[in-house]
Amino acid sequence: KNEVEQSPQNLTAQEGEFITINCSYSVGISALHWLQQHPGGGIVSLFMLSSGKKKHGRLIATINIQEKHSSLHITASHPRDSAVYICAVRSQETSGSRLTFGEGTQLTVNP
Amino acid sequence: KAGVTQTPRYLIKTRGQQVTLSCSPISGHRSVSWYQQTPGQGLQFLFEYFSETQRNKGNFPGRFSGRQFSNSRSEMNVSTLELGDSALYLCASSFGMGFQNEQFFGPGTRLTVL
Repeated sequence: KNEVEQSPQNLTAQEGEFITINCSYSVGISALHWLQQHPGGGIVSLFMLSSGKKKHGRLIATINIQEKHSSLHITASHPRDSAVYICAVRSQETSGSRLTFGEGTQLTVNP
Repeated sequence: KAGVTQTPRYLIKTRGQQVTLSCSPISGHRSVSWYQQTPGQGLQFLFEYFSETQRNKGNFPGRFSGRQFSNSRSEMNVSTLELGDSALYLCASSFGMGFQNEQFFGPGTRLTVL
């Protein structure tokens, strides 16, 4: 079993829909990251969370440390949101920047 | 501030050769981490360097090595290339190593081994 599990693996939505991507992890963490990867490979860090909730524009990320679960929400989705969204955790067991990644969620938003 | 840069962006090598990839972190960042991304295994941690010292290492064979220079630029080397080494290699930099330090990723080097 992977230490970081994401669901769904693939998600297709219509423009304007509210989207939720889930991430569950099995280890104690010091931080959780949500990353976005567009075709071509470049990765952009969307959020880094250790507790609570963060909001940036139409994106909202929440984390429940007790339940070892995080969600990424996209409100009023747009075709430009189409990308792979990756959840990554920094384990409490490691002192450095090492991240363990989920398999990613491929999001396609149709106009 | 310029972002993380990686060179080259694309590389084609044949089995048995060796390759060196370069990563220049954001100015002022002292930690550089390397990751491998393949369709089968996803993203996996290779190693992390801070102040010219390797601080963490992932589960990769000794053919994968790296180093960091005094200006924080980092290189990774893969010797005796295998077909399975074909991947996108990403580096990420952060100011420090603590959990509160956000990582910023470069565009990656896409390596194809024939």
